[in-house]
Amino acid sequence: GNSVTQMEGPVTLSEEAFLTINCTYTATGYPSLFWYVQYPGEGLQLLLKATKADDKGSNKGFEATYRKETTSFHLEKGSVQVSDSAVYFCALSASLIQGAQKLVFGQGTRLTINP
Amino acid sequence: DAGVIQSPRHEVTEMGQEVTLRCKPISGHDYLFWYRQTMMRGLELLIYFNNNVPIDDSGMPEDRFSAKMPNASFSTLKIQPSEPRDSAVYFCASSIRTGTTGYTFGSGTRLTVV
Repeated sequence: GNSVTQMEGPVTLSEEAFLTINCTYTATGYPSLFWYVQYPGEGLQLLLKATKADDKGSNKGFEATYRKETTSFHLEKGSVQVSDSAVYFCALSASLIQGAQKLVFGQGTRLTINP
Repeated sequence: DAGVIQSPRHEVTEMGQEVTLRCKPISGHDYLFWYRQTMMRGLELLIYFNNNVPIDDSGMPEDRFSAKMPNASFSTLKIQPSEPRDSAVYFCASSIRTGTTGYTFGSGTRLTVV
């Protein structure tokens, strides 16, 4: 079946540190991959996405590359800020009937950035 | 567009009472999803609709839970009777048909059953 595995949190870093949150997936076919971010008290927001192998999604200084050979989609940022503190979810789209998509989420990784 | 709108933002109710959560999806989105988020289980898909028709409700935990979508701009999730273990944040999300766009989530309803 389709599944997503994220590195376990919580992750705590100092401001300006380099961030990597690992994500690997299992899927049939060629899913699209996503990273969502959830700030305290809010819903999930799409951070970035990649729809085919070797695509790189990027937004707000975050990047992730769709690696089919390693079935991975690791999230990276070169210099984190306190405002990046949030929970990050990796997800893949699994095809349903009628051309629809069902998102399968990882368990989430809580990130805390200290000043 | 105002995004996916959920109401209320917070709900506190007593055990045994009926609770109704509401969602207005983004106009033009064909799909609507209801999720529940808890610390123990993370994000769980409860049910989803396509063009107002329920397609898969296998995630609905018990018969106490029901969901409806009477038209393209409104959906409800009802719990009757509510129990303390139903306490969670409930999210509604909507999307268009293609598999590359992801979902747009609402801000959620934090439900506390005492």
